[in-house]
Amino acid sequence: EAGVVQSPRYKIIEKKQPVAFWCNPISGHNTLYWYLQNLGQGPELLIRYENEEAVDDSQLPKDRFSAERLKGVDSTLKIQPAELGDSAVYLCASSPTGLAGSSYNEQFFGPGTRLTVL
Amino acid sequence: AQSVTQLGSHVSVSEGALVLLRCNYSSSVPPYLFWYVQYPNQGLQLLLKYTSAATLVKGINGFEAEFKKSETSFHLTKPSAHMSDAAEYFCAVSAPFSGGYNKLIFGAGTRLAVHP
Repeated sequence: EAGVVQSPRYKIIEKKQPVAFWCNPISGHNTLYWYLQNLGQGPELLIRYENEEAVDDSQLPKDRFSAERLKGVDSTLKIQPAELGDSAVYLCASSPTGLAGSSYNEQFFGPGTRLTVL
Repeated sequence: AQSVTQLGSHVSVSEGALVLLRCNYSSSVPPYLFWYVQYPNQGLQLLLKYTSAATLVKGINGFEAEFKKSETSFHLTKPSAHMSDAAEYFCAVSAPFSGGYNKLIFGAGTRLAVHP
């Protein structure tokens, strides 16, 4: 079974340019997560989707970041315009959906997209 | 709110030696606790998890961790290190009423080096 697929794996852009990352979760996983991982740090949740609905986007910087999951399958995370501080790895993860808030569903992570902003 | 502190950003051991990676957590409610491993240029992989059952948890690749409520710790151990264990290890916590058990709060990570 294929894991979480992310593309591109690497992206180099100049500041103020837009950039987009794509994620295809494991088939049948209704929950999708986007994480930001700065160098030398653990991942931090940006947004979580249950099907098409963004159920937790409290950590997403909405002035420049946006995300969508139109058909409840794959998802796109966009930054516009990018800043130097956005250089990081952007991880996507997915999990099956269980009882919300009362049980744990293992998250499966993709390899990430490493963004470098010059 | 939950938080995780991993003591030691870098740990170096000899092949065959004991591996001990330290994790302390803070949570106002009984937490779930996790250890993930990240190999270079790869995503995170779940090593093991504590979900309020047995306090000694066994995971993949010979790793185990013990939940100690009195010490608020969840240290990761492996009796004998192998070269292939060299990677970044992340401890994470989640809890209900703070986004649910699926909202993971990660520590900063510990990079494990294994030398011959």
